[in-house]
Amino acid sequence: GAVVSQHPSRVICKSGTSVKIECRSLDFQATTMFWYRQFPKQSLMLMATSNEGSKATYEQGVEKDKFLINHASLTLSTLTVTSAHPEDSSFYICSARAPGWNTEAFFGQGTRLTVV
Amino acid sequence: KNEVEQSPQNLTAQEGEFITINCSYSVGISALHWLQQHPGGGIVSLFMLSSGKKKHGRLIATINIQEKHSSLHITASHPRDSAVYICAVRGGGGADGLTFGKGTHLIIQP
Repeated sequence: GAVVSQHPSRVICKSGTSVKIECRSLDFQATTMFWYRQFPKQSLMLMATSNEGSKATYEQGVEKDKFLINHASLTLSTLTVTSAHPEDSSFYICSARAPGWNTEAFFGQGTRLTVV
Repeated sequence: KNEVEQSPQNLTAQEGEFITINCSYSVGISALHWLQQHPGGGIVSLFMLSSGKKKHGRLIATINIQEKHSSLHITASHPRDSAVYICAVRGGGGADGLTFGKGTHLIIQP
């Protein structure tokens, strides 16, 4: 099956710093990528939809200035958590879909972010 | 906004038992995913369904679009099947992100 690679898998950072998470589709071109967040014992929640070459669409309640998304190529989307706070500590996971209507979604391995 | 309900939330069974996990949703969809999440957090997509039934090894997934209901079955369960199983749906537009259920925490005891 298709492979989506997400890095880093774990990161610990200090409050106030920024962290970048990369999501790459390794063997297909992903025109659309999705970023999700999962707090402990909670469901995964969609944060934003990233379309190659255009601005990301953020879900209600997600601050676009805090969670910067860049989808500069058909194989790479990045999520930058700016000025991180302890409450941003969470599991972040990306998903990529191949072009076409209703194509299957493939998931990255996820990133465990801890802000201290 | 679609509401996705899964049952049961927790399930402990003995090795070899037939397992059923249920998922219902409130609004029409373009696709439903069954996902497996292991303790480290990584997610594996097991099935994507738009209608009918799919089978892969010991796993079977069914969906009833009219009833807005899907089931995931595991035959001859094994301890390595222990994981969180998550139902997720995509909206009718076909281009949307997924809405997830809370997951079913499955433990298969030897």
